[in-house]
Amino acid sequence: AQKITQTQPGMFVQEKEAVTLDCTYDTSDPSYGLFWYKQPSSGEMIFLIYQGSYDQQNATEGRYSLNFQKARKSANLVISASQLGDSAMYFCAMRENFGNEKLTFGTGTRLTIIP
Amino acid sequence: DSGVTQTPKHLITATGQRVTLRCSPRSGDLSVYWYQQSLDQGLQFLIQYYNGEERAKGNILERFSAQQFPDLHSELNLSSLELGDSALYFCASSAITGNTEAFFGQGTRLTVV
Repeated sequence: AQKITQTQPGMFVQEKEAVTLDCTYDTSDPSYGLFWYKQPSSGEMIFLIYQGSYDQQNATEGRYSLNFQKARKSANLVISASQLGDSAMYFCAMRENFGNEKLTFGTGTRLTIIP
Repeated sequence: DSGVTQTPKHLITATGQRVTLRCSPRSGDLSVYWYQQSLDQGLQFLIQYYNGEERAKGNILERFSAQQFPDLHSELNLSSLELGDSALYFCASSAITGNTEAFFGQGTRLTVV
């Protein structure tokens, strides 16, 4: 079974609008972390935001926020006031069981911001 | 700039050859991870080192090996290269084990011809 599911292969959004990128996950481990990374066309992986499973509040970093719904096992990324530079691939990832710290990635969502 | 440095950025080599990819983690980070990104497999975890010791292993082929040196830089060795090994190879580092962010380098794009 997929551990990380990103159901939107591609999205087109008008500049300055907010956008939500979906991510659902599957784990039986009570302790885990969820990550979002941005990969522009140049190829580097840019860390955006992190949410721990025990964090009481949703994580926020500037224009990025994570809508964490633990019971539904979803960790959607919200980008407010989108900019042309936000056009990129976005990956959701999970780390479970801190004794095994690999990140498991979803298949990604390609976001295109339209001027 | 994530602070993680990978060299070289691009590498083109022939089938059957051996290459070494190098990674310098962020200053003070003890944990280094290697990932492979290919079109058909997506992003796959290969191996993790923590303070010089192998800590976790993923889907790493026997033809591939890695090590972390006392100065904490790491090398990924790929041998008997095949066309299917063409991919973007990432190194990531984190400060400690456990609940912390992992920062990625810019990757090494390997093309096997």
